[in-house]
Amino acid sequence: EPEVTQTPSHQVTQMGQEVILRCVPISNHLYFYWYRQILGQKVEFLVSFYNNEISEKSEIFDDQFSVERPDGSNFTLKIRSTKLEDSAMYFCASSTRQSSFFGQGTRLTVV
Amino acid sequence: GDSVTQMEGPVTLSEEAFLTINCTYTATGYPSLFWYVQYPGEGLQLLLKATKADDKGSNKGFEATYRKETTSFHLEKGSVQVSDSAVYFCALRIDGNEKLTFGTGTRLTIIP
Repeated sequence: EPEVTQTPSHQVTQMGQEVILRCVPISNHLYFYWYRQILGQKVEFLVSFYNNEISEKSEIFDDQFSVERPDGSNFTLKIRSTKLEDSAMYFCASSTRQSSFFGQGTRLTVV
Repeated sequence: GDSVTQMEGPVTLSEEAFLTINCTYTATGYPSLFWYVQYPGEGLQLLLKATKADDKGSNKGFEATYRKETTSFHLEKGSVQVSDSAVYFCALRIDGNEKLTFGTGTRLTIIP
């Protein structure tokens, strides 16, 4: 069964460093998303991506964040200068118009 | 704005007990409704969905009915198992907008 895959599963980084989280969406899906879940809190929408551009972004998705689909298969989330409060589980998702399918998540720990 | 309110957890039940996890929503448009499950150490998995009023979604013994009159989508299972222990998230998506809006999640623990 096709699935969304994310790498790495866990990343530890120092405050102020750049991180890139990687995702391989399901191949025939057209919509891609990043969500995050701070420990013990709800899953929050960050950004959606369609037709090689951002279609919607939340207030959380400020200038420190960017997304890219560099090669037609990978979908990346970059955080330019990480803060302690960026520590969270980051989920990638892809969808048809019917349902969204999520990856296993990347746990980002900023120290 | 759009929002989902879920029953606060954690919920602890004995095996074979009846489960209800309440979910209500507020939506500016016409939503599709979803339940996602997150097993320990794993990502979010779609459990079931309903796209219009009075639809019933079902999967793995779980059911939820889209009730427009009460803006609810409560999750039920007649007889829970230890393997159902997980965090359950109710979510909505408005037609024409692809993002999901999630509730806070309900942690369910089933004891043998």
